[in-house]
Amino acid sequence: AQKITQTQPGMFVQEKEAVTLDCTYDTSDPSYGLFWYKQPSSGEMIFLIYQGSYDQQNATEGRYSLNFQKARKSANLVISASQLGDSAMYFCAMRGLIQGAQKLVFGQGTRLTINP
Amino acid sequence: DTEVTQTPKHLVMGMTNKKSLKCEQHMGHRAMYWYKQKAKKPPELMFVYSYEKLSINESVPSRFSPECPNSSLLNLHLHALQPEDSALYLCASSQVGAGKNEKLFFGSGTQLSVL
Repeated sequence: AQKITQTQPGMFVQEKEAVTLDCTYDTSDPSYGLFWYKQPSSGEMIFLIYQGSYDQQNATEGRYSLNFQKARKSANLVISASQLGDSAMYFCAMRGLIQGAQKLVFGQGTRLTINP
Repeated sequence: DTEVTQTPKHLVMGMTNKKSLKCEQHMGHRAMYWYKQKAKKPPELMFVYSYEKLSINESVPSRFSPECPNSSLLNLHLHALQPEDSALYLCASSQVGAGKNEKLFFGSGTQLSVL
């Protein structure tokens, strides 16, 4: 069965520091995609970064990078030089074949708070 | 235009009411989704439309009835809801294909309260 695990319910980080949000996954499907989304208090889910299971290099998008360790089934999000506006809920998600259909399933999320 | 627009933003309804949630996108996406999100929980998939046809129904109660009248619009018709149906309802759209192009674009959601 497909499963996404985020073990950090909450994290507190000083502004300008780097932060790593953990995500592990479990799947028997060789083809899958991993996504990170940010959800501020306004409610909208904002796409941050994507990593495909066959991608050889770690994905990067501006201040966001994904530390993809396929053998360990982990896809940690790294935010460099954190800003106050980074305070939000962060969800790791996996797209894969579940019960015969391509679905996107989310982890439980990590609430990140950036302190000034 | 990379927006998914949901209306209304807030909705309060009684258990005997009939209401509809609306979602619109003009990105040419041919897959559209409804997710339900309870407070402090991740979004849970409800329905998926692909090329205007219902492709996934996650065993959602029949008091929720989705409709995709064309490639830009997605509705969720609500009838005889229960208080436990109170949640944030998120609409999303994506291209149909592999990889990064399948990332979902989400609307801001409709916060629904059932009294």
